[in-house]
Formats: sequence, structure tokens, C-alpha cells
Amino acid sequence: KAGVTQTPRYLIKTRGQQVTLSCSPISGHRSVSWYQQTPGQGLQFLFEYFSETQRNKGNFPGRFSGRQFSNSRSEMNVSTLELGDSALYLCASSASQGFPNYGYTFGSGTRLTVV
Amino acid sequence: QKEVEQNSGPLSVPEGAIASLNCTYSDRGSQSFFWYRQYSGKSPELIMFIYSNGDKEDGRFTAQLNKASQYVSLLIRDSQPSDSATYLCAVNRDDKIIFGKGTRLHILP
Repeated sequence: KAGVTQTPRYLIKTRGQQVTLSCSPISGHRSVSWYQQTPGQGLQFLFEYFSETQRNKGNFPGRFSGRQFSNSRSEMNVSTLELGDSALYLCASSASQGFPNYGYTFGSGTRLTVV
Repeated sequence: QKEVEQNSGPLSVPEGAIASLNCTYSDRGSQSFFWYRQYSGKSPELIMFIYSNGDKEDGRFTAQLNKASQYVSLLIRDSQPSDSATYLCAVNRDDKIIFGKGTRLHILP
């Protein structure tokens, strides 16, 4: 069974540009969540999608957006990139909905560097 | 107050000893609790989840939950050098999982 697939693995962008990251969840998983990980702040929740609907959103500016397609694949977009957006972006998928939640499976992440 | 708090460490434990990792959370409505392990340069991997008060054992790992004290812990018995990693505590409410910043564990050979 394939795991969570994130593409690309590495990305270098210039300030002011925009970027789109992709995530394919484990087959059958309908919940996809996105996190930003930095050494100083740890794992910070960006948003969570279930059946193409955004159910939860973290405290990030509107430059961060996402969507989920009918096949559960998800994309996140960051516009007008800033140096502080340099981070590891992790996608996670889950089969469970509601309680109990059996946890997420993470992808390998996309390492974004903004120069 | 941070939603999920952990001591950043590093926590140094001799090989073969018991490593004890602790976590507190602020939201009493939290329903499910998780421990993840993250090796340097890798993504987090789920070790255990627990949602009832008490202990839950899985091999060398035991998760403990005390909802009244809003406290979760992870015990690792017979610690091995391969257990050296950052351990992330996470709590779930309303389909959102919030992570602590993690505790770095170093097992001394």
C-alpha cells in the first residue's frame, strides 16, 4: 500500500513568487492535513480537508491556501513568498473521521527555501 | 498558554534504562492523544495513540493519560540507541491535531 506522496521534495523560490505543493494521500484516506515545520516553531497546523471541504484552518495569513480534489489529492499554495516561509511543509492523511481519531500518516515533506 | 507543552530536552538516558517523556495540554475538550517519533531529517511517524484514561502498552512503549490533570506521558522501556529522536506529543479536537514542539531524547550507549 503506497504511503502519502508529496511533490516536489525540494523547492527553491524567490521572494514574491508563488508556489504550489502537492499531496496524494494513502488510498482510501479522505482527510488531508497540512503542517509547516520550522526549528523555532515546531509543527504548526495550516489546514485540514475532508471530502473537498476545508474543515479547519490554522492561524496563517491568507497567502496560504489549499484545496482538495474529488480523488482526495490536495494542493496547497503560498503566494507572495517571504523569507520566513522557508520551512518543511508536511502533508498527512487519515482514514478516520471524528472520534476516535487514530492519527495521521505523514508524507516525506516538501522542503521550501525562499531566497 | 500553549496548547501542547513539552520539555524540549535534550533528555539523556542510559541504554537499557526507562525513558520518561511528558506532555501537558490546555484544552479539556481534547479527545485523542498521540505520540510521534521524528528522526532528524525525516517526517514524524506515529508510535501510539490513546483516548481513555489509564495506560496503554505496545511492546516497549507505554502511553499514560490523565485527563483530570491534562497530562500525557510516554515510557520507553529498555531504551536503545535507535530510540534517539525527537518525540512529539499531539492532541486532537474537532478533527484538528495540534503538536507540541517535541522533546529530544538521547540514549547513551
